[in-house]
Amino acid sequence: GDSVTQMEGPVTLSEEAFLTINCTYTATGYPSLFWYVQYPGEGLQLLLKATKADDKGSNKGFEATYRKETTSFHLEKGSVQVSDSAVYFCALRAMDSSYKLIFGSGTRLLVRP
Amino acid sequence: EAGVTQFPSHSVIEKGQTVTLRCDPISGHDNLYWYRRVMGKEIKFLLHFVKESKQDESGMPNNRFLAERTGGTYSTLKVQPAELEDSGVYFCASSQGAWANEKLFFGSGTQLSVL
Repeated sequence: GDSVTQMEGPVTLSEEAFLTINCTYTATGYPSLFWYVQYPGEGLQLLLKATKADDKGSNKGFEATYRKETTSFHLEKGSVQVSDSAVYFCALRAMDSSYKLIFGSGTRLLVRP
Repeated sequence: EAGVTQFPSHSVIEKGQTVTLRCDPISGHDNLYWYRRVMGKEIKFLLHFVKESKQDESGMPNNRFLAERTGGTYSTLKVQPAELEDSGVYFCASSQGAWANEKLFFGSGTQLSVL
């Protein structure tokens, strides 16, 4: 079945460091791909998405490119801030399921001043 | 506009007890979903309501879990009797439609601890 694998955390970085959180997926066809973020005490929020191969999703300085050939959707940010500390979830929505999201296990990011 | 609201935010119960979680979706959202994250693992789909009807309950783990959405407004998820492995974070989400590009709005979750 469809699945999402993302790197285990926690990831600890200093402020202004470069961030990469790896995400790979298994799915038939062309799923839509998402990154969600959960800040402390808050709900899941959609960070960015991409719906077809080679699309790049971006928001708040974060970027991820839909790579069909490597089945990946790695999250990157050039310069992290303390306020980026959160749990990040990679997710996919299969072509035949318009509403059901399949999530990865989440990666906790801790950014130190 | 109020977001998706979940009650309680935390619940600590003993094995064998009953717990009821509540979710208030965004007003006007016909679609309501339950997900849960157990033991820090992946977030898994539990079920999907369209108004008061269960559209897909394929993710419900067993018959100890009962979800309802009377009147198509708020929803409850009851666990009876609770087991240790039910501990985790239960998320509710809602959306206006269920189309492929529809945005889901999530609540902040209920942290359930079964001791």
